[in-house]
Amino acid sequence: DAGITQSPRHKVTETGTPVTLRCHQTENHRYMYWYRQDPGHGLRLIHYSYGVKDTDKGEVSDGYSVSRSKTEDFLLTLESATSSQTSVYFCAISTSGGRYNEQFFGPGTRLTVL
Amino acid sequence: DAKTTQPPSMDCAEGRAANLPCNHSTISGNEYVYWYRQIHSQGPQYIIHGLKNNETNEMASLIITEDRKSSTLILPHATLRDTAVYYCIEVGGAQKLVFGQGTRLTINP
Repeated sequence: DAGITQSPRHKVTETGTPVTLRCHQTENHRYMYWYRQDPGHGLRLIHYSYGVKDTDKGEVSDGYSVSRSKTEDFLLTLESATSSQTSVYFCAISTSGGRYNEQFFGPGTRLTVL
Repeated sequence: DAKTTQPPSMDCAEGRAANLPCNHSTISGNEYVYWYRQIHSQGPQYIIHGLKNNETNEMASLIITEDRKSSTLILPHATLRDTAVYYCIEVGGAQKLVFGQGTRLTINP
């Protein structure tokens, strides 16, 4: 399972509150990703990181920020959660050696914004 | 938006080969075809990828047409545990996956 954990696994919060989701890996892989998945949609990339303090936006980055201060942790923050951010969030890593698109996914975090 | 086209759903009998088609008629020369699957509520799982040659691994085989405009993922002996949504994805550089709707494959006993 590539040693990926996500926390929390479930969270219910209220509109306007800040929320931080954590992705942790144990194998020091360089690339890490955050996706969201909504009913009727495939996964959509929010942000990704290609190294410590190196991040870039994905296709649905508005309303989200990320940080990566150490290799093993990639944090996703919703500064002021909205109901449209209710979703399942998946973290992923990709291995090195050029096989960047073989991504391994965490178990997901189900977030509900009331 | 995803650039591949897949049937929304398919059924297959347990023990038979499951053949999942994918159309990627606009694929460019340096783009690979990747396949992932997602079993209910879990994160997606990488299956296989290819550029222009057919590929096989312990999970599946990937057959890519000579013009590279379509491919077929083959699960040789489907089991109930292969019931999942299967995604076919064109990938160039930039380490980004763009997931479409995929094919919901149901394996029937």
